[in-house]
Amino acid sequence: QVQLVQSGAEVKKPGASVKISCTAFGYTFTNNKFHWVRQAPGQGLEWIGIINPKDGATRYAQKFQGRFIMTRDTSTSTVYMELSSLRSEDTALYFCMRDNTRWACDYSGQGSLVTVST
Amino acid sequence: QSALTQPASVSGSPGQWITISCTGTSSDVGGYNFVSWYQQHPGQAPKLIIYDVTNRPSGVSTRFSGSKSGNTASLTISGLQAEDEADYYCCSYRSDTTYVFGGGTRVTVL
Repeated sequence: QVQLVQSGAEVKKPGASVKISCTAFGYTFTNNKFHWVRQAPGQGLEWIGIINPKDGATRYAQKFQGRFIMTRDTSTSTVYMELSSLRSEDTALYFCMRDNTRWACDYSGQGSLVTVST
Repeated sequence: QSALTQPASVSGSPGQWITISCTGTSSDVGGYNFVSWYQQHPGQAPKLIIYDVTNRPSGVSTRFSGSKSGNTASLTISGLQAEDEADYYCCSYRSDTTYVFGGGTRVTVL
């Protein structure tokens, strides 16, 4: 069955970088795009961007353009997102979500908690 | 990029029906039939319950239904049950090829 397994929690200082991962199991990795979505503590969902694992093409929300970078490794069925110049406002649970080819997300990882604190 | 507008909270008694609205613009909700809805229980990942405005994924209860009129999409939950108490988010594709979520609606079963 389809499963998305994300990397564990990270604690970083302001200004640092972190790279989180999402490994897919149970289907052909390159058949579906991936979305990254975050949720700050007690807040709503926020769309970050989308990556096509077939060719690595990406699209970001303007807010994250240039500071967050999505990549993929087809040999390990893994998508990554590197967050740089971290700020306290980036403290959140980051979800990778599989696109169902109908402009929606049908599966989600368990979330990777990133905490930015001095 | 402004979030889509949802009511902060909606409540209803067991067995009743409730509707959650999601208002955007002609560049997102009004321009495309690519609105989806997600249910999120505390401490869990979001779960897809509606896509393409009206379609339910396999396994999702028929008590959930979606619709759209102009720039506003709606999610209706009929026969409200205790297990429906959760946060609900709408999401839409946008003309600039990005996506945007609504602010979320807390559903309380009285």
